[in-house]
Amino acid sequence: DQQVKQNSPSLSVQEGRISILNCDYTNSMFDYFLWYKKYPAEGPTFLISISSIKDKNEDGRFTVFLNKSAKHLSLHIVPSQPGDSAVYFCAGRNTGNQFYFGTGTSLTVIP
Amino acid sequence: EAGVVQSPRYKIIEKKQPVAFWCNPISGHNTLYWYLQNLGQGPELLIRYENEEAVDDSQLPKDRFSAERLKGVDSTLKIQPAELGDSAVYLCASSMGQSSYEQYFGPGTRLTVT
Repeated sequence: DQQVKQNSPSLSVQEGRISILNCDYTNSMFDYFLWYKKYPAEGPTFLISISSIKDKNEDGRFTVFLNKSAKHLSLHIVPSQPGDSAVYFCAGRNTGNQFYFGTGTSLTVIP
Repeated sequence: EAGVVQSPRYKIIEKKQPVAFWCNPISGHNTLYWYLQNLGQGPELLIRYENEEAVDDSQLPKDRFSAERLKGVDSTLKIQPAELGDSAVYLCASSMGQSSYEQYFGPGTRLTVT
């Protein structure tokens, strides 16, 4: 049972434009949602998080939006830079401290 | 501050052979996770330790997989015997504790079983 889904395997965006990565979840017991960034041959790196009681969290060029009624969250990157090219994983954490990851979206930022 | 260290980075073995992976978490991190990541998939939890206690091992195939975290610091994950389907990346992560949602991942060990 895939509790966190990323339906877009890949995304290409021009440098300077906005990148929007989407994530859907099924588990209403998640208390935190997280985005991780992964370069080839490296482990995932924590990028940004959002509590389930919030609807927006911003950190520099990165903003995560949470729509609990739709069980949907998105990561916005503005402006996109070539160094942002990586695989992005969405994850949800339940109150039992268990993390469930999506399958990832590969972002390519074209110079 | 050193990150999560894993070794080896790559391992190629024949099926039915044993293999072991080692993880050294960030100093002071009480929680340690082992994840399995198949190609094109996200990480899937195998086992979670709080200090030296395995508190969540429901996804660990216990017939062939074992893990330990002696003294609540380093951890070892073992597969014996390995099967072709075990080929994957094995990721170790650590965090400050149960209340911390921020995990720090190591670079992973890529296992190839031939």
